[in-house]
Amino acid sequence: GIQVEQSPPDLILQEGANSTLRCNFSDSVNNLQWFHQNPWGQLINLFYIPSGTKQNGRLSATTVATERYSLLYISSSQTTDSGVYFCAAWGGEQGGSEKLVFGKGTKLTVNP
Amino acid sequence: NAGVMQNPRHLVRRRGQEARLRCSPMKGHSHVYWYRQLPEEGLKFMVYLQKENIIDESGMPKERFSAEFPKEGPSILRIQQVVRGDSAAYFCASSPRIRYSDTQYFGPGTRLTVL
Repeated sequence: GIQVEQSPPDLILQEGANSTLRCNFSDSVNNLQWFHQNPWGQLINLFYIPSGTKQNGRLSATTVATERYSLLYISSSQTTDSGVYFCAAWGGEQGGSEKLVFGKGTKLTVNP
Repeated sequence: NAGVMQNPRHLVRRRGQEARLRCSPMKGHSHVYWYRQLPEEGLKFMVYLQKENIIDESGMPKERFSAEFPKEGPSILRIQQVVRGDSAAYFCASSPRIRYSDTQYFGPGTRLTVL
């Protein structure tokens, strides 16, 4: 099955800084999603982005499906951006059930 | 449109007891997925259900775990005779599956603690 790797595993920023999180996947994807898990454990959908670029406020994401990676950009980071960012993908295996495979996450800490 | 609902949010059980976790998908969604997150790890797929059918349970432990999604009511993940290693956060996701591949929307999770 598909494998998903995220980097960096940990990231510490000062408030106001920009950052880029990376997600590599081992096969072509039909579904790729980015999530933010806040310090209270809630999992928040950020983007559904199997290809192309999307933006939502200070966040944007780009997936280059042919090169098997996705990037999540956070601009002007705020302390509320702290938490763990997960990338998850489904490769569309024949007969597969669309189960998402999650990376291990990037733990982001934004200091005031 | 309410999001995916899960209850209880926190559940404490003693070893050997049963745990029942409930998931109500978003309105109009008939596809439900359960994932488990062990401490300090990412989420791992457990089971995928449609109404009254288990489609894929390849991620479910072979014993003590079962899931259902009846015609009426929420999806239930049941863990019998819980052990300490079952302590984890259990997330439910739902999808309309209108397209071949659709966004999965996640609930807030149930945090199970086994004493």
